[in-house]
Amino acid sequence: GAGVSQSPSNKVTEKGKDVELRCDPISGHTALYWYRQSLGQGLEFLIYFQGNSAPDKSGLPSDRFSAERTGGSVSTLTIQRTQQEDSAVYLCASSLAQGMAGELFFGEGSRLTVL
Amino acid sequence: AQSVAQPEDQVNVAEGNPLTVKCTYSVSGNPYLFWYVQYPNRGLQFLLKYITGDNLVKGSYGFEAEFNKSQTSFHLKKPSALVSDSALYFCAVKESYIPTFGRGTSLIVHP
Repeated sequence: GAGVSQSPSNKVTEKGKDVELRCDPISGHTALYWYRQSLGQGLEFLIYFQGNSAPDKSGLPSDRFSAERTGGSVSTLTIQRTQQEDSAVYLCASSLAQGMAGELFFGEGSRLTVL
Repeated sequence: AQSVAQPEDQVNVAEGNPLTVKCTYSVSGNPYLFWYVQYPNRGLQFLLKYITGDNLVKGSYGFEAEFNKSQTSFHLKKPSALVSDSALYFCAVKESYIPTFGRGTSLIVHP
């Protein structure tokens, strides 16, 4: 497809279970971002990948969160031992420009509900 | 550290009237500034950006924004609002490779 694709679009899980969220960026985009959007909150930065460089993980809220990007393309965000406060919409975005001027292209998000 | 503020949680405007959604920022260097729009149950969509040059930036759907360095503001404007403009609007600032977003402003355009 032409845009950023995220799956699943909705995920309901029980507290303590692990979840994986997938992001397929726009082809050729070297930068990939994960953000979290909670109700009434802005976008909270989680992690940033640029090409083959080490990711910037400074936004991950705890060691239960991890992400990887395989082959410079698809990324997976993993949340272990989910908690109710993890409930949010997880947004993935990609960007073409390596410089700071590039805008982000967002997927439609994965809505996570932890019961 | 970079930061951005959107002082209004909600803006109400009548269709056909001009609209303004406010954004102020704080950076230590030169900012790159962006506006995005989010329709219900959708991801964010890029509207416009300021990198350098003219302070008035024009973007998608008739929106424009004015960069004001002395007031550290980047307000989003449109001369005549449409009901279909009703959505959540986010301002973002980039001083590094990672943009910081505001909390968002809900724009409601009444028929």
